[in-house]
This record gives sequence, C-alpha cells and structure tokens, in this order.
Amino acid sequence: DAGVIQSPRHEVTEMGQEVTLRCKPISGHNSLFWYRQTMMRGLELLIYFNNNVPIDDSGMPEDRFSAKMPNASFSTLKIQPSEPRDSAVYFCASSFSETQYFGPGTRLLVL
Amino acid sequence: GESVGLHLPTLSVQEGDNSIINCAYSNSASDYFIWYKQESGKGPQFIIDIRSNMDKRQGQRVTVLLNKTVKHLSLQIAATQPGDSAVYFCAENLNGQNFVFGPGTRLSVLP
Repeated sequence: DAGVIQSPRHEVTEMGQEVTLRCKPISGHNSLFWYRQTMMRGLELLIYFNNNVPIDDSGMPEDRFSAKMPNASFSTLKIQPSEPRDSAVYFCASSFSETQYFGPGTRLLVL
Repeated sequence: GESVGLHLPTLSVQEGDNSIINCAYSNSASDYFIWYKQESGKGPQFIIDIRSNMDKRQGQRVTVLLNKTVKHLSLQIAATQPGDSAVYFCAENLNGQNFVFGPGTRLSVLP
C-alpha cells in the first residue's frame, strides 16, 4: 500500500496567488482529514470528510480556504488568495476506523 | 510540560535507557487516545492507542499509561534507540473522529 499521497511536496508562491493542495487517501478508507502544522500553533484540524461529505469545517481559518472531495480517492484544499501567514505544512490523513494515517505533507511558503 | 509558541519541550536520553514522555489532555470525557511519532520532514505516524476503559497498554518496546483522574497520558519507550529520535504527539478523541493534538515533545537520543 502506498499510503496517503500528497502533492505537491513543496510549494512556493507569491501572496495573492491561488494554491491547490492534493490528496489521495488510502484505498478503502472512508474518512479524510486536512491538517495544518506550524511552529506557533502545532497541528490543527482544518476539515474532515466522511464518505466524501464534509462533516466538520470549523477549523477552516476563513473563506479563503476551501476543500472538496469529489470522490473517495481524491481531495483538494484550496487557498485563494494566499497570504504569507498561510505558510505551513499541510497534512492530509485518512482512516477507516479511528486511527488516522498521515501523508508526508505539503510544505507551503507564501512570499 | 506544555509548550507555547516556538519551543517544544525536549527530552534527552542516552541510547539504551528508557524514555517517558508525558501529555496532559484537556477533556475529561475523551474516550480514546493515540500517540504519534513525527520524524523530521514526515507526517505523524501511529505508535499506539488506548481507550478510556483501560489504564495501560503495551506494544513492542512501547507502553502507554492513562491516568483519567488527573487527565494524564504517558508513553514509555524501552531501550531507546537513535531511530526513536522524533517529536511525539498525544491526541485525544471524544466520541468521533475529530482528534485534538497536544503540542508535542521532542525526544533526542544521545549516543
């Protein structure tokens, strides 16, 4: 099993640009989570899906952030427009029961 | 202890010694807990879990202890090895899939 796959692994962009992060969960998992990790705030849950349906998006910072899960094998997290304070590592995780399996993360730098 | 901002608490141990990493969780009603290990440049990796109806669970070289009275969780690593160097997070869950992660503790294994 390839595990959770995220792309890109690194992204450098300029303030105001749109950023799209991608995630492919582990096959057979029915829940998918997007996290953001920073030194200041640690690991924060942004949103999670169950059976492709968003269940809790209370962690999404503001309207600039949006997430979609069009099917069981793909999800995107979009930031538009991006700001320097969005710089962080973004993790996707998936689960079948309670244990979450994390991807390698996307390191985002917004200049 | 807890960390705020840029500095994670750090535990330094000699190779071969036992390590104990502590975590204070926030919600007395949390019923499921996980310890994750995060190596540099990687996503968190599941180590061991425990439910609230237990106070101890053992894995390979790792033991998790749960003290619900004081809302405290600990991870014990026996015969610590250089490969154990990482940041360790506890995560608590209350009746669902939304986990709250602690700030993390950096374990440094000295040769």
